[in-house]
Amino acid sequence: DQQVKQNSPSLSVQEGRISILNCDYTNSMFDYFLWYKKYPAEGPTFLISISSIKDKNEDGRFTVFLNKSAKHLSLHIVPSQPGDSAVYFCAVTDSWGKFQFGAGTQVVVTP
Amino acid sequence: KAGVTQTPRYLIKTRGQQVTLSCSPISGHRSVSWYQQTPGQGLQFLFEYFSETQRNKGNFPGRFSGRQFSNSRSEMNVSTLELGDSALYLCASSFDAGGNSPLHFGNGTRLTVT
Repeated sequence: DQQVKQNSPSLSVQEGRISILNCDYTNSMFDYFLWYKKYPAEGPTFLISISSIKDKNEDGRFTVFLNKSAKHLSLHIVPSQPGDSAVYFCAVTDSWGKFQFGAGTQVVVTP
Repeated sequence: KAGVTQTPRYLIKTRGQQVTLSCSPISGHRSVSWYQQTPGQGLQFLFEYFSETQRNKGNFPGRFSGRQFSNSRSEMNVSTLELGDSALYLCASSFDAGGNSPLHFGNGTRLTVT
């Protein structure tokens, strides 16, 4: 049973514009949410996280938004750069610490 | 600070054999988790170890096992390999268990079963 869904398998965005990635989850017990970036032949790299007590967290060009009532998580990248081209995974976990990952969104930043 | 180190990077085995993968976590991290990544299934959780004890387990058959040593290093073993076990196996460490700190991944071991 897939409890974390990234419905867009791919996203193409122009350099300098905003990239918006979305993630939906089903279990209201999840209380810690993360985004990872993955390049080919490398492991996922942690980008940014947010706990359920917040609705926004910012780190440089990356901002994560959490809408608990809608069980929706999004990642904004502004401005998008060519090096941002990668697969992005959202991840969720509960207090027991069992992480679950979305299927990933392939982002391509074009010149 | 060195990241998570996985060895070997690549492995080719034949059906029926067994394989052991190794993971050294980031210094000071006590929790180690293992994930299987395949194109169709994404990242699937195998198990998590904390202080040498298995803390969480995913929905994989008993052919998949693991252990953690007193220095937090971990090994994963797969016995009686099947073609479907071909995947990228990722190890991740975190400072603590309990889902309050992010996982930090190694670059994985690419296992091919022929």
